[in-house]
Amino acid sequence: EAGVTQSPTHLIKTRGQQATLRCSPISGHTSVYWYQQALGLGLQFLLWYDEGEERNRGNFPPRFSGRQFPNYSSELNVNALELEDSALYLCASSLRLARMSTGELFFGEGSRLTVL
Amino acid sequence: GQSLEQPSEVTAVEGAIVQINCTYQTSGFYGLSWYQQHDGGAPTFLSYNALDGLEETGRFSSFLSRSDSYGYLLLQELQMKDSASYFCAVRDQNNDMRFGAGTRLTVKP
Repeated sequence: EAGVTQSPTHLIKTRGQQATLRCSPISGHTSVYWYQQALGLGLQFLLWYDEGEERNRGNFPPRFSGRQFPNYSSELNVNALELEDSALYLCASSLRLARMSTGELFFGEGSRLTVL
Repeated sequence: GQSLEQPSEVTAVEGAIVQINCTYQTSGFYGLSWYQQHDGGAPTFLSYNALDGLEETGRFSSFLSRSDSYGYLLLQELQMKDSASYFCAVRDQNNDMRFGAGTRLTVKP
């Protein structure tokens, strides 16, 4: 069974441009999480989608946005790129989390965005 | 708000035992997870504790004390391949999954 896939693997943009990152969850998973991981740092929560709806977002400006499609794949858009947006963007998927489930997230390999 | 604290770095030798602590502050706590991430790789799930006590999975064990808002990951019989970053993550009542800054473990021969 295919894991979480992300594209593109690498993306180079200049300041002020827009970037679009894509994520396909594991088949059967309805929840998609997006995280930003700057070099050597932890995972900063960006967005969570479930069943096509945005359920929560982290402490990021509105120029970070996204959506989830009917097939549960997801897209992250970053507008008006800034140098500090350079990071690894990780997507993770999970089953809809029941109260007593483990809440295991399955991560993709990430999309590395470089802003010049 | 939410916060998770874990040491930034830990060093140990092959064959030793190491404990990585995590303290958290959150509302509506459901459980504490641990993830491993090798350089250049994706984080992978190691364990999950929803109830107090110790969960053992092979060489790795994870502990939770809900009353102390504290947990730890215990790695036994360390191997070189265990060199990686380890993240604790809190699942809250909104099913948010928030991660700590990570602990970089270096295993030396």
